[in-house]
Amino acid sequence: EAGVAQSPRYKIIEKRQSVAFWCNPISGHATLYWYQQILGQGPKLLIQFQNNGVVDDSQLPKDRFSAERLKGVDSTLKIQPAKLEDSAVYLCASSPGTGHPGELFFGEGSRLTVL
Amino acid sequence: SQKIEQNSEALNIQEGKTATLTCNYTNYSPAYLQWYRQDPGRGPVFLLLIRENEKEKRKERLKVTFDTTLKQSLFHITASQPADSATYLCALLMDSNYQLIWGAGTKLIIKP
Repeated sequence: EAGVAQSPRYKIIEKRQSVAFWCNPISGHATLYWYQQILGQGPKLLIQFQNNGVVDDSQLPKDRFSAERLKGVDSTLKIQPAKLEDSAVYLCASSPGTGHPGELFFGEGSRLTVL
Repeated sequence: SQKIEQNSEALNIQEGKTATLTCNYTNYSPAYLQWYRQDPGRGPVFLLLIRENEKEKRKERLKVTFDTTLKQSLFHITASQPADSATYLCALLMDSNYQLIWGAGTKLIIKP
């Protein structure tokens, strides 16, 4: 079974530029998560989708971050404009159900460096 | 305020010994707690889940305990191996909103 796919793995941009990350969850998984993980910290939830609807985006900085999950499958996370403090690893995860998350399956992450 | 604490300092253990990692929380009433392993440059990988009404869970060389009175979970790796070296994250599921709250992780180093 294929795992969660993310791209790009690495991205370096200058502040005020924009960037987009893509995630393809495990086939059939209803719930998709985007997390931000800053070095030395645990993952912080940015947004959670259930199929193609948003369940929780309370910690998403909506003035600069946006995310969509069209057709309830793959998803993109965009940052525009980027700030220095956005330097982090952006992790995508999926889980099969729509209730309690249970086990989360993570991708390898997309490491963003903002200069 | 709500908080999850894991040892911020790396834990150095001799190969063959038992490694014990701690996850303490305050002001939460979690439905369950999960442990994940994260290697450098990789995403977290699920290891074990323990529910609030369970005291202990085992999987091969791994054992997790959950004490809701002490608000603490302990994660044990017996007969540790250098390949067990990684960062271990605990995550609590909030029953109120089904959201996972993550600790910062503890780096475990198993020395040959």
